[in-house]
Order: sequence, then structure tokens, then C-alpha cells
Amino acid sequence: AQKVTQAQTEISVVEKEDVTLDCVYETRDTTYYLFWYKQPPSGELVFLIRRNSFDEQNEISGRYSWNFQKSTSSFNFTITASQVVDSAVYFCALFSGGYNKLIFGAGTRLAVHP
Amino acid sequence: NAGVTQTPKFQVLKTGQSMTLQCAQDMNHEYMSWYRQDPGMGLRLIHYSVGAGITDQGEVPNGYNVSRSTTEDFPLRLLSAAPSQTSVYFCASSPTSSLSYEQYFGPGTRLTVT
Repeated sequence: AQKVTQAQTEISVVEKEDVTLDCVYETRDTTYYLFWYKQPPSGELVFLIRRNSFDEQNEISGRYSWNFQKSTSSFNFTITASQVVDSAVYFCALFSGGYNKLIFGAGTRLAVHP
Repeated sequence: NAGVTQTPKFQVLKTGQSMTLQCAQDMNHEYMSWYRQDPGMGLRLIHYSVGAGITDQGEVPNGYNVSRSTTEDFPLRLLSAAPSQTSVYFCASSPTSSLSYEQYFGPGTRLTVT
């Protein structure tokens, strides 16, 4: 079975703090893909990153970084020096080849206060 | 390119009414899908299509029908609306029939069934 768990329902931080959003996944497939999407208050879904199961290299994009660890089945997302514009709901998602479906976690709502 | 478009943006239905949510994409994408978003549950897949004339069920297909007569359009039909179908509905498309690539989401339709 496939499953994505985002245990943090809501996180509240003050601007310039670093924050990490956790994502734990379950799959029996050896080939799979992990994604993060952002949903700002306006409601649209914005793609942030895709990572395949054979590439455990961490990725950094500006203030965003992602830590993929197969040993713990986690794909965590860190925002450095958070800003008010980072306030959104963030979804982690899993696709594995055995099922032709993208499974989303429940999402983490991040509130960044000035 | 307009990307993925959805109409209407908002809709109120009475129990038992039927309606069609429209979705169109102008990117010549093979894969299209419908999700519903409910609080605390992330996005759940309703139906998907890997190409014109081919559709399949997702996690929560009951009460919904789809068809894919063209590459561009993927309408979602509610046969007899129920309050449990109150939700935000997102249509998405992907350039290949594999979900290993990012999905492009429409702006969503907020549906209320009274």
C-alpha cells in the first residue's frame, strides 16, 4: 500500500526563523517519485520539486531545501529565513510505478508572522 | 497558453441535482485527472485518464462520472449531488501517461451541496 504522512497539521513561526516540514512515505516499490506542492491562500497548487527514488542527493533552491532519506522513508522540506509570503499549505505526494496514482499527504499549514 | 482551466469557480447545488464541472488544457497533455480537496485529508483522486477514450477510477469515484472524448477536455459529472460532495475540486494534467512528472493544476471549483 502507498501512504504519505505529514504529521504536522499546522506550524506557526516568526519571520526569519527556519522551519522544517516533515514527510514520511510508505511504498513497496523500488521505483517511485516524491513531490512537494505549495497551496498559497489564493488556492492554486504550485509544483515545487520532484525527486526519484534513485537520487538521494539533497537539493537546494534559494531558501528552500529538501532532504531525502530512503533509510527513514522521509522527504523533508526546510525553508530558511522564512518570509510572510511562505505562508501556505504544503503537500507532500508520492507516485510509485505499481499504481498509476499520485497519493497526497494531508498537508501542513505554515503561518509565518511578521 | 492558458494552461489548465476550470469552470465554474463556484457552484451551489441542491441535493439530488446534477451538474458537470468543466476542465480543459491547451498543452496537449496525455494525462488528466480530477481530485477533491477536503479539510485534513489532502487531495484525493476521483478519476483519471491516460488519453482520449481511456478513463479509470481513482480512490473516491462513487457518485462521479467522467469521459474523455478529446485530448483537451475532461469533464466531471455529478449524477445526483449529495452534501458529502461539498468540496473543492481540482483538475490536473501531466505531459505523459506516467505520473512521474509534475502535474499542472487548474484553479479549482468550490462546490457546495445543500
